[in-house]
Order: sequence, then structure tokens, then C-alpha cells
Amino acid sequence: KQEVTQIPAALSVPEGENLVLNCSFTDSAIYNLQWFRQDPGKGLTSLLLIQSSQREQTSGRLNASLDKSSGRSTLYIAASQPGDSATYLCAVTERRYGGATNKLIFGTGTLLAVQP
Amino acid sequence: GAVVSQHPSWVICKSGTSVKIECRSLDFQATTMFWYRQFPKQSLMLMATSNEGSKATYEQGVEKDKFLINHASLTLSTLTVTSAHPEDSSFYICSAREAGENSPLHFGNGTRLTVT
Repeated sequence: KQEVTQIPAALSVPEGENLVLNCSFTDSAIYNLQWFRQDPGKGLTSLLLIQSSQREQTSGRLNASLDKSSGRSTLYIAASQPGDSATYLCAVTERRYGGATNKLIFGTGTLLAVQP
Repeated sequence: GAVVSQHPSWVICKSGTSVKIECRSLDFQATTMFWYRQFPKQSLMLMATSNEGSKATYEQGVEKDKFLINHASLTLSTLTVTSAHPEDSSFYICSAREAGENSPLHFGNGTRLTVT
């Protein structure tokens, strides 16, 4: 059974710092991995999607890496801003029979607070 | 970008009544939509997969007679919580995928259901 874990559960940093969020998964047979942002009481915003064949994806100040063999992904946020404060979730799409399942398995998230 | 609209954003109902939540893909067609449930400080759990024109596929432990899903068109899926009880109080989020297995999921803003 696939399990997704995120460390740390909460993180507080001063504005301007670079930071790394971690995500690990137990079964390397994934189709892709996606990072999301969730603001309080809101839905999810997709940040980055990494296919299983890729090593990293970049969007602006965000960089996500994927090491499938070790079951790990990181989300790097450069020059953090107070507006980055939110919960960050990673989720994997499992691979079955050569294709993707419909099921996203989420981690429990990292609550990030960027202090001005 | 792709937008998923979810309505209502919050609802309070009395125990024993039924509540309908709508999920619409505004600028793309979604043959498949997904319904998630999120308890406070926990991650998202997939409840069911909604397929246009056919029956929904429910995850293990989710009562299909209690959580009725209808996907009548390529842009609309509804979740009806029947005979709601206080333990059904939760945050419900829908998502939809654009065409193609490699497309990211787009999420609605969620519905906060409180059953009194």
C-alpha cells in the first residue's frame, strides 16, 4: 500500500530565506508526482507536476526534484515571501499495468509560515 | 488556465437532511472528476471517481448510498450527502483532469459542510 509522508509537518522561516520541503513515498511504481498549495479553507492549486521519467521541474522560484528509486521528492522555494505561507501537499499517481491509475495519494502536508 | 468551480463554498444543515454540492469545469471538458474529503489537519482522502455517463467508482469504506454522485455532463458532477449526520461534517473538494493522462488535476475551492 502506497504511503506518502511529508517532513516537516510545520515550518516557520523569516522572509527571504530559501527552504526545502520533503516528500517521501513507499512504492516507487508511480506515474507522476505533483506538488500543491492549499490556503486555509480553500481548495488546491497545482504548483508542479513531475513525470516519473523526469528528475526535476521548475516554475519561477519553485523547483521540484524527484528521485524515484529512493522514493523522495523535494520542493525548493527560493527567496521566500510572506505570500508563500500556506500548506504544501505532495501527491503521487500510482502506476498500474503500464499506465496511470486515477488515484492521487496525498501526503499530510507541510504548513509553511514565512515571517515578514 | 483550467478552472474548476465548486458550489456552495460552505453549508450548514440539520441532521437528517440532504445536501448537494456541485463541481463544474468552466473552460474544459472533464470526462472524469474526483471527490475528496479532508478532515481538520489531515490530508485529502479520495472518496470516489465520477465518470461522465456511467456509475461512480467508490473507494473502500465509502458508502455509495450515502454519498450519491451524478456526472450528467462533461462539465458537471454533483455529490449529494444524504441523511447527513454530524460525523459527515468535513471539507469536501472536487477535482477534474483535462484530457490526457499526463494532465495535472485542477481542484475546486472546496465546500465546508457542517451538520448540526
